[in-house]
Amino acid sequence: SAVISQKPSRDICQRGTSLTIQCQVDSQVTMMFWYRQQPGQSLTLIATANQGSEATYESGFVIDKFPISRPNLTFSTLTVSNMSPEDSSIYLCSVEKDRAPDTQYFGPGTRLTVL
Amino acid sequence: GQQLNQSPQSMFIQEGEDVSMNCTSSSIFNTWLWYKQDPGEGPVLLIALYKAGELTSNGRLTAQFGITRKDSFLNISASIPSDVGIYFCAGGLWGAQKLVFGQGTRLTINP
Repeated sequence: SAVISQKPSRDICQRGTSLTIQCQVDSQVTMMFWYRQQPGQSLTLIATANQGSEATYESGFVIDKFPISRPNLTFSTLTVSNMSPEDSSIYLCSVEKDRAPDTQYFGPGTRLTVL
Repeated sequence: GQQLNQSPQSMFIQEGEDVSMNCTSSSIFNTWLWYKQDPGEGPVLLIALYKAGELTSNGRLTAQFGITRKDSFLNISASIPSDVGIYFCAGGLWGAQKLVFGQGTRLTINP
């Protein structure tokens, strides 16, 4: 498995502001992902964070709204920009260990409330 | 896009009972995963399945990768209070480098 930490664990933000969420892994991993989980819902993939290049976004998610950085193989950030109450969700990062394809391990999540 | 149909959506059982939940898909997957999510936490991987027909156990949990590659089930035997939570199935495709998640099964246990 992998030990994954996220900061902050939760936050309450005002409409129109931005929040950057950090994800740190205890070992180098090739694949890192960011998910959104709206209240009472399943997990939806936002993007794949690529080290050294632009993130790969899923349909319905754009870089201007969710810019992602991946400066190295153990760290990534997701920014939720110009927030509205509809952005209130749990944001989760996950990693895939190189020797177990398609097997992802999740961080504890960041619970975001936008007022 | 691909979707997984997970059932049941919720279960209310007595402590000690066995539990069964499943996921089906209209298309095949190469990997089936089962996660449990406690309130306020991220999903925790319970069982990973990589071969069609594979049956894998983890303590009181047993999961199987359907022979058609379009379904998987998870059984929990002799449920205990700490089994309460939301269980998610997920399917993976080699090379696609992303997972598709089911809608989740919320398990509630009456003591």
